[in-house]
Parts: sequence; C-alpha cells; structure tokens
Amino acid sequence: AQSVTQLDSHVSVSEGTPVLLRCNYSSSYSPSLFWYVQHPNKGLQLLLKYTSAATLVKGINGFEAEFKKSETSFHLTKPSAHMSDAAEYFCVVSRFSGGYNKLIFGAGTRLAVHP
Amino acid sequence: NAGVMQNPRHLVRRRGQEARLRCSPMKGHSHVYWYRQLPEEGLKFMVYLQKENIIDESGMPKERFSAEFPKEGPSILRIQQVVRGDSAAYFCASSPAVHQETQYFGPGTRLLVL
Repeated sequence: AQSVTQLDSHVSVSEGTPVLLRCNYSSSYSPSLFWYVQHPNKGLQLLLKYTSAATLVKGINGFEAEFKKSETSFHLTKPSAHMSDAAEYFCVVSRFSGGYNKLIFGAGTRLAVHP
Repeated sequence: NAGVMQNPRHLVRRRGQEARLRCSPMKGHSHVYWYRQLPEEGLKFMVYLQKENIIDESGMPKERFSAEFPKEGPSILRIQQVVRGDSAAYFCASSPAVHQETQYFGPGTRLLVL
C-alpha cells in the first residue's frame, strides 16, 4: 500500500536561508510523487511532480525535489526562502487502484518564514 | 482558461441543515474528485466521479453524504443533517483523463457547522 510521511509538521526559517521539507514514502512499486502548496485559505497548487524520469525535479518558484529510491525519500528544497513561501506544503503519492490514480496526501508541513 | 471553480467559498450551517457544495471542473476535464481536509490534517479522498457515474466512493461516509456529476452542470457534494464534525474544508479536483495523474484543485469550500 502507498503512504506518505512528512517528518516535520512545522518548519521555521529566516528569509534568504535554505528550505528543507522532508517526505518519506512507502510504495510497492515505482511511485509518482508530487508536492503541492496551499496558501492560507486558498486551494492547492502543484509545485512539482516526479514520474520516474529525472530523479531531480525542478518546480515552480525555485523549488526542487530529489527522488531517492534507496532512502524512499522525496524531500523538497529551495536555496533561499522568500516571505511569500510561507504556506502549507503537502507531499503526495499517487496510487493506481480500481483503474485510476488516487492521490494519498501526507499530513502537511507548515512553513513559516521570518524576516 | 479558467481553473477549477468551487462555490460557495464559505458556508455556514446549523446542525441538522443540509449543505450543498458545487464544483465546476476545468474546461475539457471529465473526471472530478472530492477531498475533505479536517483542521490540521492533510486531504483525504472522498469520491471520484465521471459524468453521470460514481466510480469510487470508498472515502465517503456511509450516511448523510452523497455526490453527483450530472451530464450538464457542476458536480455536487451534498451533506444532509450536518453535524459539527462535518466542519472542514472540502476540495474538488479535476483531471482530463483517467490515466492523467495530475489533478488540478479548486479553492475549496470551508464549511462551518454551528
């Protein structure tokens, strides 16, 4: 069965410093993995997606994530945080079940960015 | 190209009333998914619909909840006799094809039950 664990419920960084949001997955086959971002009282926006092509995936707004099969990880990083990055981030795995792809969400990591 | 639209954005109901949440998928998308997000939690799958068909409702509570996606018009998530525990954000997502993994999300409806 597919599942996702986000290792930190809250992360706080200073503006201009690197961001690391950690995600571990469990999957019985090669998974598709996503990161979504949710700004306060807004919907979810797709940041990036991994589908077994390059292991380093570049997304929008300077974010990227690296798929590491040996560590079953898909951590999200950004070299330099901006105030506008403050939001909730969800790591998501796709599970093919019943003829379609079902998204399994992690519990989320709330990122705070301080001046 | 408009994204996924949901209305209302905020809905307040008293216990025992009915809540109707509407979702219009992106143009050209015929697959709709509903998710529920309880406070401080991630999104949980509720139901997957195609036009006029419920494909998977394994995440729906057995009672009081129903969903439809008619041939014409938006998808509707209906909650009868709401209780305080139904207070949550309800998100709709759509995709163009069954094998398309990426789902595009609407802004959500935040339901508050008094």
